[in-house]
This record gives sequence, structure tokens and C-alpha cells, in this order.
Amino acid sequence: KAGVTQTPRYLIKTRGQQVTLSCSPISGHRSVSWYQQTPGQGLQFLFEYFSETQRNKGNFPGRFSGRQFSNSRSEMNVSTLELGDSALYLCASSTQGARTNEKLFFGSGTQLSVL
Amino acid sequence: DQQVKQNSPSLSVQEGRISILNCDYTNSMFDYFLWYKKYPAEGPTFLISISSIKDKNEDGRFTVFLNKSAKHLSLHIVPSQPGDSAVYFCAASGPIGSGAGSYQLTFGKGTKLSVIP
Repeated sequence: KAGVTQTPRYLIKTRGQQVTLSCSPISGHRSVSWYQQTPGQGLQFLFEYFSETQRNKGNFPGRFSGRQFSNSRSEMNVSTLELGDSALYLCASSTQGARTNEKLFFGSGTQLSVL
Repeated sequence: DQQVKQNSPSLSVQEGRISILNCDYTNSMFDYFLWYKKYPAEGPTFLISISSIKDKNEDGRFTVFLNKSAKHLSLHIVPSQPGDSAVYFCAASGPIGSGAGSYQLTFGKGTKLSVIP
């Protein structure tokens, strides 16, 4: 069974641009969550999608958005990029989401650098 | 407001000795706790978990202890091996999300474990 696939692996953008990251979950997984990892901040929750609906959202500005397609693939978009958006963006999938006793399966992430 | 705290950014341990990684949480709504391990350039991978109704869970060399009254959990690795060198994230799950009845997994900032041969 293929794991969680994130594309692209690396991305370099300049301030003010926008970026779209893609995540293909494990087959059969309907929940996709996105996390931002920066040095010293750990993994911060962005949002979770389940069956094409945003089910939960973290404390990030509206510049960060996402969507999920009928095949459970998900995209995350960041508009008007800022230097502070440079981070590793991780996608995780599971069958039902972050419920009791269910673990998440993470992709390798997209390393975004904003210059 | 950091709800899951890992106060030690790094830890060095000799090979063969015990590694103890600590984690504190503040939200009493958390009812499930997990540890993830992360190598550079890879996503986190699940290591071990514990439900709030238990105080100990063991899986091979890894044991997680939960002290609900102190809102504290720890991960013990015995014996430590060089391949255990990684960043360890403590995570807590509970119905604290903004969505109706939805769970949210909250992570600590991680502890970088170095096992010295």
C-alpha cells in the first residue's frame, strides 16, 4: 500500500507570491490534515479535511486555505507569501481523523522557502 | 498558549542506557496521547500511544507512562540504540477543535535525542 505522497518536495518562492501544495493520502483514508513545522515551533495544526469538508481549523491567517477532492486528495494554498511562511509543510492521512486511538500517517513534507 | 510542552529541546544518552523523554499537557480534555519519531527530511512516524484510562503501555524497548493527575507523560527507551537518534514529538488528542465534536491532534515542539555509540 502506497504511503502519503506530497508534491513538490521542495519549493522556492518570493514574497507576495502564492503557492499550492498537494497531498495524496493512503488509499481508503478520507481524512487529511495539514501541519506546519518550523524550527523551535514543532508541528502546528493548520486544518483537517474529511470527505471534502473542512472539519477543523487551527490558528492561522486566512492566507492559508485548503480543499479536498472527491478522491480524498488535498491541496493547500498560501497566498501573499511572507518570509515567515518558510517551513516544512506536512500532510497526514487517516481513516477517520484525529479521533481516539487512531494514528496519523505522515508524508515526507514539502519544504517551502520564501525569499 | 502551548497545550503540549516538551521542555527539553535536546537529550544525549550513551548507547545501552535508558532514554527518558518528558511531556506535559495543560488541557484536561485530552484523552489520548501519542509519540512520533522524526528523522531529518522525513515525515513523523508513529511510535507508541496510550489512552487516558491507562497509566502504562509497553511495546518492545519503548514504554510510555501517563500520570493524569500531574498531566505528565514520559517515553522510556531501554536500551537506547544509535538508530534511535531522532526528534521525538509528544502529541495529545481530544475534542478541543473548533469543529463540532471534532478531535484535534496537538503536538509539542519536540525533543532531539542523540544516542552516542
